[in-house]
Amino acid sequence: QSALTQPRSVSGSPGQSVTISCTGTSSDVGGYNYVSWYQQHPGKAPKLMIYDVSKRPSGVPDRFSGSKSGNTASLTISGLQAEDEADYYCCSYAGSYTFYWVFGGGTKLTVL
Amino acid sequence: EVQLVQSGAEVKKPGESLKISCKGSGYSFTSYWIGWVRQMPGKGLEWMGIIYPGDSDTRYSPSFQGQVTISADKSISTAYLQWSSLKASDTAMYYCARLYSSRIFDYWGQGTLVTVSS
Repeated sequence: QSALTQPRSVSGSPGQSVTISCTGTSSDVGGYNYVSWYQQHPGKAPKLMIYDVSKRPSGVPDRFSGSKSGNTASLTISGLQAEDEADYYCCSYAGSYTFYWVFGGGTKLTVL
Repeated sequence: EVQLVQSGAEVKKPGESLKISCKGSGYSFTSYWIGWVRQMPGKGLEWMGIIYPGDSDTRYSPSFQGQVTISADKSISTAYLQWSSLKASDTAMYYCARLYSSRIFDYWGQGTLVTVSS
């Protein structure tokens, strides 16, 4: 199972919106509505931002939203803030016959 | 409050063994799978495997099967990740994470940095 494909980097100015894509296959992203997104600041543990494609955990600002079309999932961050600068990873369940997860390679978000 | 607290950083030599831990609190430890995730220096996240502390059912990513052993001691709400013979390529940050509803890694430990160097 290969890692999901994410752009290495994206950037945006404060107040703007950015979208990070995550491309997989019909065996992972396209096959399940179990895509999640994690934010990781330098030296910190990942933090769950989106699960089940588009659901936000309690405490995550509604500036963060998720969607999916076919084999590609997307994370959109609107109203960019300086503290949004971090690495973002997508993750998809991919277990046809047993438990299995695959992560994306990560995207570095720079707030200009 | 759900918390996963991992053991401290380790520096080991190639060929040595190692067992790192992840202690859960604030929830029913035996009712949720715990997963382990590797992050090599400057790289992305890789799922290694999971364990259900309630009955020690364990599943491994094919990439890590045979390379590590995942275990748990439910009496002390602790999961473990161990190596019998470390390699330099095992140098990485290792995270444990709770698996919510069998599909979402919702809470993460702070990470354990393992450095393997001669």
